[in-house]
Amino acid sequence: DAGVIQSPRHEVTEMGQEVTLRCKPISGHNSLFWYRQTMMRGLELLIYFNNNVPIDDSGMPEDRFSAKMPNASFSTLKIQPSEPRDSAVYFCASSLDGGYQPQHFGDGTRLSIL
Amino acid sequence: RKEVEQDPGPFNVPEGATVAFNCTYSNSASQSFFWYRQDCRKEPKLLMSVYSSGNEDGRFTAQLNRASQYISLLIRDSKLSDSATYLCVVNQGDKLIFGTGTRLQVFP
Repeated sequence: DAGVIQSPRHEVTEMGQEVTLRCKPISGHNSLFWYRQTMMRGLELLIYFNNNVPIDDSGMPEDRFSAKMPNASFSTLKIQPSEPRDSAVYFCASSLDGGYQPQHFGDGTRLSIL
Repeated sequence: RKEVEQDPGPFNVPEGATVAFNCTYSNSASQSFFWYRQDCRKEPKLLMSVYSSGNEDGRFTAQLNRASQYISLLIRDSKLSDSATYLCVVNQGDKLIFGTGTRLQVFP
């Protein structure tokens, strides 16, 4: 069975550019999570969706970040405009039932903003 | 107080050793508990769920003490391939809260 699929795997771009990260959750999972991981701050939850509806976006650092889930099989995380401090690994994860079931992570997107 | 606290390590142990990791959590309403492992430059992967009665999976044993809000992971007969960061994970409602992880290095 396919796991969580993220794209791109790596992204290098200049500050000020728009960045779009993509995620396809595991089929049948109804919860989707976006995380950011850095050495300094560890794994941070940015936003999560239940049944395609955003539930908690309190972890989104600022208005430059936005996330959408137009259907059960696709989500995007967008940064516009990007800044060097946004450089991190961004993970998408999905689960059957929010916080009561384990989450399964994608391979992540390694983002570098120059 | 952090929601999930772990000793960051690193724990450096020889092959064959037994090593134990501890974790405390702050939310007494938490009901789901997990251990994940994360290899360098990889995604976190589920190692095992943690049940109230304690549970074992091969060389790995997890324990939960709800009264003390404490979770442990015991690894017996350590292998070189066990070298990784181990993340303690606790639910808070619909979310999972990840600890910062304990790094394990097993040497020959």
